[in-house]
Amino acid sequence: AQKVTQAQTEISVVEKEDVTLDCVYETRDTTYYLFWYKQPPSGELVFLIRRNSFDEQNEISGRYSWNFQKSTSSFNFTITASQVVDSAVYFCALPEGGKLIFGQGTELSVKP
Amino acid sequence: DSGVTQTPKHLITATGQRVTLRCSPRSGDLSVYWYQQSLDQGLQFLIQYYNGEERAKGNILERFSAQQFPDLHSELNLSSLELGDSALYFCASSVGYSFSYEQYFGPGTRLTVT
Repeated sequence: AQKVTQAQTEISVVEKEDVTLDCVYETRDTTYYLFWYKQPPSGELVFLIRRNSFDEQNEISGRYSWNFQKSTSSFNFTITASQVVDSAVYFCALPEGGKLIFGQGTELSVKP
Repeated sequence: DSGVTQTPKHLITATGQRVTLRCSPRSGDLSVYWYQQSLDQGLQFLIQYYNGEERAKGNILERFSAQQFPDLHSELNLSSLELGDSALYFCASSVGYSFSYEQYFGPGTRLTVT
């Protein structure tokens, strides 16, 4: 069965530090997609990125970057120069046939 | 703002009661998904509808049901409510029926069963 593991339950950093959130997945599919979502304190889930398994190039969007490594089944998310507004719970997710499997989430706290 | 709307934002009700949660997808999206988020279970997929038809079913209890109407809005009905049903219920939408499409989530309905 597909599985998504986010081993870091909570991370606390000081503003301007870089932080990496880990995501390790298990799948028997040869082609698949991976997602990251952000859930700020207000509660809504915000889509951040979708990557397919064909593309192992790192993705960068402003202060956010994603490192996808098929060899280690990881899809890690790095925030550079973190800001207080980055404080949220971040979820990694993987489609499994008829559903989307979410990891348990990593709660990131960025202190001023 | 994702473009997905959910009502109501909060709902407080008693055990044994029935409630209906409503969701309107983003313009142009044909798929609607329902999720439950609780502290002990995390984010759990409940059910998906695509263009009015049930497409996929997850961990949805028999006491729960959903439907998608011709105008594509969806309703999640929760009946014989128990304390353990207290959770945040999200609706999401996407353009296609595959779970490979990104899903856009509504703000959620927080259900409290007392």
